[in-house]
Amino acid sequence: GNSVTQMEGPVTLSEEAFLTINCTYTATGYPSLFWYVQYPGEGLQLLLKATKADDKGSNKGFEATYRKETTSFHLEKGSVQVSDSAVYFCALKEGAQKLVFGQGTRLTINP
Amino acid sequence: GAVVSQHPSWVICKSGTSVKIECRSLDFQATTMFWYRQFPKQSLMLMATSNEGSKATYEQGVEKDKFLINHASLTLSTLTVTSAHPEDSSFYICSASREGGVSNQPQHFGDGTRLSIL
Repeated sequence: GNSVTQMEGPVTLSEEAFLTINCTYTATGYPSLFWYVQYPGEGLQLLLKATKADDKGSNKGFEATYRKETTSFHLEKGSVQVSDSAVYFCALKEGAQKLVFGQGTRLTINP
Repeated sequence: GAVVSQHPSWVICKSGTSVKIECRSLDFQATTMFWYRQFPKQSLMLMATSNEGSKATYEQGVEKDKFLINHASLTLSTLTVTSAHPEDSSFYICSASREGGVSNQPQHFGDGTRLSIL
């Protein structure tokens, strides 16, 4: 079945550092890929998405490119801020099938 | 757009009582709504998928009689935890999809409900 694997956290960085959170997936077809962010005590917010190979999703300085050849959708940001501290979930969805989440990566940014 | 409101955000109640959680799509029609459970520092576990006007589809291992789901309109789904016990304490999150979940449109999530059973 479909699955998503994220790099294990927690990840701790200093403000203005470069961020990469790795995400790889396994799917039988051609899924859409998503990054969701969860701030403490809240639900999930869609951060960005990509629906086909080579698409790049971007939002709030975050980017991720749908790489079919490496089955990856790594999340990157050039300069993180304290306010980016949250849990990040990579997810995929294929047609009518349910949304499949990775295990989440907790990110802490220190000032 | 695509705002999902979940209520209440936090509830504490005694063991044995039933608790109802509401999930509303405020600015779009949600043919399909989803209910998730999240344990501390873990990912989301899908409990059930509800389609407006029909019975919910429960994931394996989720008790239908324990977690009653009603999706009576295109903007409202409810989850009722019946005869709640301390092991039901958790963070429950709903989400809604515009297009019945069939397409690759994203799900939009509520802010979650923290349920604590004493």
